[in-house]
Amino acid sequence: NAGVTQTPKFQVLKTGQSMTLQCAQDMNHEYMSWYRQDPGMGLRLIHYSVGAGITDQGEVPNGYNVSRSTTEDFPLRLLSAAPSQTSVYFCASSYPGRNYEQYFGPGTRLTVT
Amino acid sequence: RKEVEQDPGPFNVPEGATVAFNCTYSNSASQSFFWYRQDCRKEPKLLMSVYSSGNEDGRFTAQLNRASQYISLLIRDSKLSDSATYLCVVNMRGSQGNLIFGKGTKLSVKP
Repeated sequence: NAGVTQTPKFQVLKTGQSMTLQCAQDMNHEYMSWYRQDPGMGLRLIHYSVGAGITDQGEVPNGYNVSRSTTEDFPLRLLSAAPSQTSVYFCASSYPGRNYEQYFGPGTRLTVT
Repeated sequence: RKEVEQDPGPFNVPEGATVAFNCTYSNSASQSFFWYRQDCRKEPKLLMSVYSSGNEDGRFTAQLNRASQYISLLIRDSKLSDSATYLCVVNMRGSQGNLIFGKGTKLSVKP
């Protein structure tokens, strides 16, 4: 199993541009989520999904959209990039029966200039 | 008050030392507890879950005190490879798996 994969690994955007961060998992996990990690802030939840067709907001959802059309994929869309969205983005997945132990992808390092 | 608080460190210890990290959480509805490890510029990885009775995995021992809302991680016989940031993580009852992360405690093990 590949586990949780994320693309791209690195991205530089200009203010106002949009883009989609890709996340996929091959473990048939129902739960998937997106976090951002900033220096001194820890990981913060952006959006999450408890299954295909169901998404909800986390702690810091503004400026981001998600959709979950399949169990495997959970893309994160930046609608109009801002410098405040410069961060490292992690996707994670888990199976509820495992006490929600989450498995993380390798991350996407995003810089917005 | 922050939901999950940890001493940021850094903890600088020699190889072979025993080191302990503490963590407090503010919400008594917290249901599941974990320690994750994060290496520099890498993703967090689950180190161990924390159970009410305490649990051990090799050189690592985790304890939970629900009354004091306190979690600990003990590392015995530290190795150079233990150098990392250790994240205390909680999941609240009914939160559908939404984890709350502490900011992490940085450990540096020196030869």
